[in-house]
Amino acid sequence: EVQLVESGGGLVQPGGSLRLSCAASGFSFSDHYMNWVRQAPGKGLEWIGRSRDKAHSHSTEYAASVKGRFTISRDESNNSLYLQMNSLKTEDTAVYYCTRDFGSGGRYYSDYWGQGSLVTVSS
Amino acid sequence: DIQLTQSPSFLSASVGDRVTITCRASQDISSYLAWFQQKPGKAPKLLISGTSTLQSGVPSRFSGSGSGTELTLTISSLQPEDFATYYCQQGYTYPLTFGGGTKVEIK
Repeated sequence: EVQLVESGGGLVQPGGSLRLSCAASGFSFSDHYMNWVRQAPGKGLEWIGRSRDKAHSHSTEYAASVKGRFTISRDESNNSLYLQMNSLKTEDTAVYYCTRDFGSGGRYYSDYWGQGSLVTVSS
Repeated sequence: DIQLTQSPSFLSASVGDRVTITCRASQDISSYLAWFQQKPGKAPKLLISGTSTLQSGVPSRFSGSGSGTELTLTISSLQPEDFATYYCQQGYTYPLTFGGGTKVEIK
């Protein structure tokens, strides 16, 4: 059974840093693209970044809103995806979801989602 | 960036109704669109990928169609468990973007 379990969320002051983790199980982690998607309270979904699979050297893509502040990495040895968040702003307050992608017709779609981890940026 | 505009943003419908949600893209995204369903306090669930491919376990009353800049999600006969918020997402190019969502409520 595919499982994605996020951890590391919490309250942080503006300008601070936080690292989210996503523990993956039930599938071959190295063979899948992975994403982080967030949802501000009462708002819609926002894609913030992707880590490609091992075959694509774990290369990454980011949304403009987080580029230069957030970094996605992964540890194949313990099947984990990470989101390092620096220079946090109040507008980064959201539930952060880790997602697994599958490939179809040359594109990738998120077929599994974690339960989410709440990050609150406030003084 | 590709903007996705969903319409309507809110709809009130009855059990058994046929419901159509439209996702309009600011540029051609071919057929690279997914639809997600989200219930309160839960993670989104993938319903359809590649515009029209139903995910395993998703009821056949859900269907997707269209291409280019206008794509649709149809629920042929709304069931009580379908009351939720629906989002489209384009997988055509970076940054990946979502529509603003359509909340389907009980009339």
